[in-house]
Amino acid sequence: SQQGEEDPQALSIQEGENATMNCSYKTSINNLQWYRQNSGRGLVHLILIRSNEREKHSGRLRVTLDTSKKSSSLLITASRAADTASYFCATVGGGSQGNLIFGKGTKLSVKP
Amino acid sequence: DTGVSQNPRHKITKRGQNVTFRCDPISEHNRLYWYRQTLGQGPEFLTYFQNEAQLEKSRLLSDRFSAERPKGSFSTLEIQRTEQGDSAMYLCASSLEDGGNTIYFGEGSWLTVV
Repeated sequence: SQQGEEDPQALSIQEGENATMNCSYKTSINNLQWYRQNSGRGLVHLILIRSNEREKHSGRLRVTLDTSKKSSSLLITASRAADTASYFCATVGGGSQGNLIFGKGTKLSVKP
Repeated sequence: DTGVSQNPRHKITKRGQNVTFRCDPISEHNRLYWYRQTLGQGPEFLTYFQNEAQLEKSRLLSDRFSAERPKGSFSTLEIQRTEQGDSAMYLCASSLEDGGNTIYFGEGSWLTVV
């Protein structure tokens, strides 16, 4: 079963704009990880944020985590056409052995 | 490149045939995971190994599926008597033992059952 839900399911923006994707989950977590997937390809790891962290940055990416609301957001600033992909959040449960539970993803389209 | 390697990348098989996928994890990673992904969905967990021990299996892993990691390095996922519903991408991933570590994925193996 899938734990997380991404919102929106699809997002279309112009190059240069910011893209924000949200993720909600149901149970306590050890960490939350964001991945990108280009069509037909494997998943590329973007950022891992631990349950005791509130915000992390990596280049043009900013991830926030609110454990009280069981939600996370991924912000991509100054988007590029190459950012077009599906983005997934995945959680590792607090008591689990480490396997990820994924949501259905947000499909981002960045128009040049 | 020392990332997670999967092969074959694509496999077309007739219904009822057996197929086997191979995964070579990142060399120092002792955890290895298998996931399945269908179009428009997120990956779904199938099973995972710590070294050679298979520690957890999902209910998705029917008795037609078997996974092995005989020497704690590479792993194989075999599907017997394939059905059209098995058509999906099979993803392998690996990580260090601590559950708080990044999990790295391979490029996946596409299976089409005709």
